[in-house]
Amino acid sequence: AQKITQTQPGMFVQEKEAVTLDCTYDTSDPSYGLFWYKQPSSGEMIFLIYQGSYDQQNATEGRYSLNFQKARKSANLVISASQLGDSAMYFCAMREPWDNYGQNFVFGPGTRLSVLP
Amino acid sequence: EAGVVQSPRYKIIEKKQPVAFWCNPISGHNTLYWYRQNLGQGPELLIRYENEEAVDDSQLPKDRFSAERLKGVDSTLKIQPAELGDSAVYLCASSLSGGANTEAFFGQGTRLTVV
Repeated sequence: AQKITQTQPGMFVQEKEAVTLDCTYDTSDPSYGLFWYKQPSSGEMIFLIYQGSYDQQNATEGRYSLNFQKARKSANLVISASQLGDSAMYFCAMREPWDNYGQNFVFGPGTRLSVLP
Repeated sequence: EAGVVQSPRYKIIEKKQPVAFWCNPISGHNTLYWYRQNLGQGPELLIRYENEEAVDDSQLPKDRFSAERLKGVDSTLKIQPAELGDSAVYLCASSLSGGANTEAFFGQGTRLTVV
């Protein structure tokens, strides 16, 4: 079963507009972390934002914010004031307890965001 | 501070040939991951190390893939023999062990093309 689902293979947004990238996850553990990464065409994976399962407030990091709805098991990324440089693949990832040795880190299939001038 | 270093960046080999990728994680990071990323898809975990111990290799095709992390620092991933379907980007990542809030830091990857 997929642990991370990103239902939007591709998204378009006009420059300076806001966009929401969807992410739903599946876990039975009460303790987990959710991450968003950006992967531009150069291939590097860039960490954007983190949300812990026990965090009471939605995470924010500059133009990035996370709409965390725990009961729905969703962690959508909101990018405000889109810029041309935001065009990239975006991956949602989850870290959950795995075993006594540490924690696993799994990724969703990604959403390709294209920002239009 | 240096990030995760991978080499080579690109590799083109003929099928049935062996290939090896190298990764040097961030100093002090106990956890090391190898992922395979096919074009247009998310990274898929191949193997995870905690120090020198492989604690999750359930997705590693063991008939042709092998990995090692001697002394719990740098790591090598090997494919022998390579098949056409192995063409992908191989990503190495490292993190501190412990809490759910520890992000993984990625290298720039090795793009493998098998012809």
